Amino acid sequence: SQQGEEDPQALSIQEGENATMNCSYKTSINNLQWYRQNSGRGLVHLILIRSNEREKHSGRLRVTLDTSKKSSSLLITASRAADTASYFCATDAKGQGAQKLVFGQGTRLTINP
Amino acid sequence: NAGVTQTPKFQVLKTGQSMTLQCAQDMNHNSMYWYRQDPGMGLRLIYYSASEGTTDKGEVPNGYNVSRLNKREFSLRLESAAPSQTSVYFCASSEQGNQPQHFGDGTRLSIL
Repeated sequence: SQQGEEDPQALSIQEGENATMNCSYKTSINNLQWYRQNSGRGLVHLILIRSNEREKHSGRLRVTLDTSKKSSSLLITASRAADTASYFCATDAKGQGAQKLVFGQGTRLTINP
Repeated sequence: NAGVTQTPKFQVLKTGQSMTLQCAQDMNHNSMYWYRQDPGMGLRLIYYSASEGTTDKGEVPNGYNVSRLNKREFSLRLESAAPSQTSVYFCASSEQGNQPQHFGDGTRLSIL
């Protein structure tokens, strides 16, 4: 079963605009991670946010976590063509073991030049 | 610095054949994982190894077996391949279970 669900499934924006992707999940978590996947490649880790954190930044990335709503968002500011990829959230549910990450279905982001 | 290396990159099998997917990491990580990714889907965990000498089932273990050969290597075996196992298989590793995972570039497996 997919714990995380991303919204939207696909997003197309102009270079320089900001992109926001959302992730909802069902059960209490220890932490939530965001990954990027370029076409034909493996996933690359972007940010890990723990359940007691509300916001985290890394370069042009900003992640928020609202455990009361069981949701997270990933904001990419000043988008570039190289940001074109699929983005996945992944959670490890409390009591399920730290190794058992559950991934959402992903958001396909296209940055138009 | 290779990271996580998977072999082969592509494979076509006939129904009923067996094969082993290989994975090796050079980051001295304790935990290793096998996932499958079907079109338009996220990754689903098949098996994982929290540390050398241990393996546990993930979400979709049926039809697969794994071996943690040593700290570096974690293999996935399909004993009798079925068309439903056509997928892209990813191996990953992490220092510990609650740390970011590092992924290989996948094995694209087709079963006819």
